[in-house]
Amino acid sequence: GDSVTQMEGPVTLSEEAFLTINCTYTATGYPSLFWYVQYPGEGLQLLLKATKADDKGSNKGFEATYRKETTSFHLEKGSVQVSDSAVYFCALSDQTDSWGKFQFGAGTQVVVTP
Amino acid sequence: EAQVTQNPRYLITVTGKKLTVTCSQNMNHEYMSWYRQDPGLGLRQIYYSMNVEVTDKGDVPEGYKVSRKEKRNFPLILESPSPNQTSLYFCASSPALLPNQPQHFGDGTRLSIL
Repeated sequence: GDSVTQMEGPVTLSEEAFLTINCTYTATGYPSLFWYVQYPGEGLQLLLKATKADDKGSNKGFEATYRKETTSFHLEKGSVQVSDSAVYFCALSDQTDSWGKFQFGAGTQVVVTP
Repeated sequence: EAQVTQNPRYLITVTGKKLTVTCSQNMNHEYMSWYRQDPGLGLRQIYYSMNVEVTDKGDVPEGYKVSRKEKRNFPLILESPSPNQTSLYFCASSPALLPNQPQHFGDGTRLSIL
């Protein structure tokens, strides 16, 4: 079945450092890919998405490119802030195979220190 | 304000005592879903609903029931809770199951089954 694998955390960074969180997936069809962010005590919020190969999603300085050849959707930000401290989830929805089902990765905690 | 509301936010109960976690959305969304979040496992989908009276199993449906009698409500029912159902639960909704529609999440319900 479909699955998502993302790098384990926690990832600890200093403010203004470069952030990369790796995400790879397996899917039988043509999935849409998402990054969600969860701040402490809250539900998940969509950070960005990409619906087909080579699409780049971007939001709040974060970017991720849908790479079908490497089945990856790595999240990057050039200069993190303390307010970016959160848990980040990679997710996929394979509309062609399992309409309505979503797969999430295990989540990566990011801690940004001043 | 557009939101997904879950109740209760916290519950401690005992094995075998039936409980219901309610979920309500005020955005007229067709799609609703339940997830559980466990450390190291990320979010796993329990059940989802494409519209009123249409529900389907996610990856971990055992021990849970749902119903969708009205568009706005999607309760999660644990008929005979067991300790392995201790978890953080999230309800989510989206306007339609299309790749470019984000899911809106509630703030979560933390269940402890003793």
